[in-house]
Amino acid sequence: GAVVSQHPSRVICKSGTSVKIECRSLDFQATTMFWYRQFPKQSLMLMATSNEGSKATYEQGVEKDKFLINHASLTLSTLTVTSAHPEDSSFYICSARDMLAGGFYNEQFFGPGTRLTVL
Amino acid sequence: EDKVVQSPLSLVVHEGDTVTLNCSYEVTNFRSLLWYKQEKKAPTFLFMLTSSGIEKKSGRLSSILDKKELFSILNITATQTGDSAVYLCAVTSGTYKYIFGTGTRLKVLA
Repeated sequence: GAVVSQHPSRVICKSGTSVKIECRSLDFQATTMFWYRQFPKQSLMLMATSNEGSKATYEQGVEKDKFLINHASLTLSTLTVTSAHPEDSSFYICSARDMLAGGFYNEQFFGPGTRLTVL
Repeated sequence: EDKVVQSPLSLVVHEGDTVTLNCSYEVTNFRSLLWYKQEKKAPTFLFMLTSSGIEKKSGRLSSILDKKELFSILNITATQTGDSAVYLCAVTSGTYKYIFGTGTRLKVLA
């Protein structure tokens, strides 16, 4: 199956700093990528949908200025958590789908996730 | 509001048991239902279901969708300790977004 990578896998930072997380599709072109957030023992909550070459679509309640998303190429999307605070500590997972392969009925492929800890 | 509900929330069984996990949904313009297994990290894909009544099978795992009653089940037979994980159900409706359920945490004891 398709492979999605994320980098870094784990990051610890001080409050007030910004953190960038990269999501790459390694063997397919991802016209659409998704960013999720997962708190301990909870399910995945969609934060935003990232479309190559256009602005991301954010879910209700997600601050656009705090979670900056850039999808500059067909294989890379980045999520930047700006001025991170302890409450931003979470597991961030990206996924990607190739809309050119199978139309509506192809699944999303998930990256391994990034665990962010803000001190 | 679209929603996906999974039950039970958690389950503890012994090796060799058979388990059935449930997923019910209320979404507009349903397209597909997917099952994922999540261990320590990101979810791994199990099944995608789009049509009612057609069972999908992979080894000891199987799943079926009932679009009339708006639910799906995931069966695991002859469970093993390696089946211990969180099982997530997701539904797509009208767009490409996934709506995830809360997950079922399965623990299989040796």
